[in-house]
Amino acid sequence: DAGVIQSPRHEVTEMGQEVTLRCKPISGHNSLFWYRQTMMRGLELLIYFNNNVPIDDSGMPEDRFSAKMPNASFSTLKIQPSEPRDSAVYFCASSFFRGVNTEAFFGQGTRLTVV
Amino acid sequence: LAKTTQPISMDSYEGQEVNITCSHNNIATNDYITWYQQFPSQGPRFIIQGYKTKVTNEVASLFIPADRKSSTLSLPRVSLSDTAVYYCLVGDISSGGSYIPTFGRGTSLIVHP
Repeated sequence: DAGVIQSPRHEVTEMGQEVTLRCKPISGHNSLFWYRQTMMRGLELLIYFNNNVPIDDSGMPEDRFSAKMPNASFSTLKIQPSEPRDSAVYFCASSFFRGVNTEAFFGQGTRLTVV
Repeated sequence: LAKTTQPISMDSYEGQEVNITCSHNNIATNDYITWYQQFPSQGPRFIIQGYKTKVTNEVASLFIPADRKSSTLSLPRVSLSDTAVYYCLVGDISSGGSYIPTFGRGTSLIVHP
């Protein structure tokens, strides 16, 4: 397996534009997580899905952020409209839940810059 | 979820053994202790996990005392390529039925020549 695949790797956009980040989890995994990493706040969990269903989105900062998982092999994180403070590295991770010793696998991340 | 405390940064030299200690005083009976490693411009990577006593793999060793209120990640004979941020996680299953990796600030390890 190629691991968790995220696209694009880098995104530069202007304030106010819509941004869509994409993630393909590892085949067979049943949990998917979106994280955001900044120097100020570290690695924050935004939302996670279990069997394609959003379970907890309490980490999503504002209504400008939305995430979907239409099927087991694809998820998107959308920011509309984007703002400069959204600049960060966004990571997607997936896992196959097997109890408290579950291991999560992370993608390479998308570095988002909003100017 | 149990909160973890670990040093913000550590420095070492090539060939030395590095020990990073993590405190988790409120660890629950069912919690496992998991360590991740993150290189610059990459996502975190699982390196080792344990419940009690000692666990060893090809990358590191994990020492957990009997009270489980702390754990120590041991990296033998580090090299420059071990420069990374190391995260200690403890956690249980969420109400939604998933195990959610929740990260603190980690320990930034810099290995010098």
